[in-house]
Amino acid sequence: EVQLVESGGGLVQPGESLRLSCAASGFTFSSYGMAWVRQAPGKGLEWVSALSDSSYRTYYADSVKGRFTISRDNSKNILYLQMNSLRAEDTALYYCAKGNFGSGTYSPPDAFDVWGQGTLVTVSS
Amino acid sequence: QSALTQPPSASGSPGQSVTISCTGTSSDVGSYVFVSWYQQHPGRAPKLIIYEVNKRPSGVPDRFSGSKSGNTASLTVSGLQAEDEADYYCSSYGDSNNLVFGTGTKVTV
Repeated sequence: EVQLVESGGGLVQPGESLRLSCAASGFTFSSYGMAWVRQAPGKGLEWVSALSDSSYRTYYADSVKGRFTISRDNSKNILYLQMNSLRAEDTALYYCAKGNFGSGTYSPPDAFDVWGQGTLVTVSS
Repeated sequence: QSALTQPPSASGSPGQSVTISCTGTSSDVGSYVFVSWYQQHPGRAPKLIIYEVNKRPSGVPDRFSGSKSGNTASLTVSGLQAEDEADYYCSSYGDSNNLVFGTGTKVTV
């Protein structure tokens, strides 16, 4: 069964850091671009970041550029999101998502056919 | 990186059709075929139902169809069923090597 399982969310204070993980199974993880998408409570979807299959290319939304770092370990089938200098507006459910096609080397994955259940990040003092 | 514009809500009776618009700019929807649509039921993760404007992933009923004209993409759900009641989001690749989602539309059956 193709599956993505996120972990690492929690309650943090503004300015603190958090690292999210996404464990993948049931497909050849190293062959696909991957991404993080978030959803603030009661709000819509927001693309956060993406990474090519070999980690050659990374992509970030302007809202997180310089604060968040996406990475992956293809030997462990895990995707990461290191989040620094967290702000209240980063509060959201963070989804890990698998790119529908391709490596993501020349452009970020544009469609996501597998999603995790999400991990909740709350930034509050 | 402004969100694509969708109507907040749409509705139809069982068996009818509903069409949802997704309006962007010449920097995203208007320039690329990489427009996707997602269905999200309450408390659930999004599900891909359309990619590359009008392609359906395996297992998605052909009641769901997509199209694009200029800066506006559209999703049509034909033969509405009770289980189609959900939130729907479009997304598009953009000029800045990014992806942008729509504001979302709540469909009521």
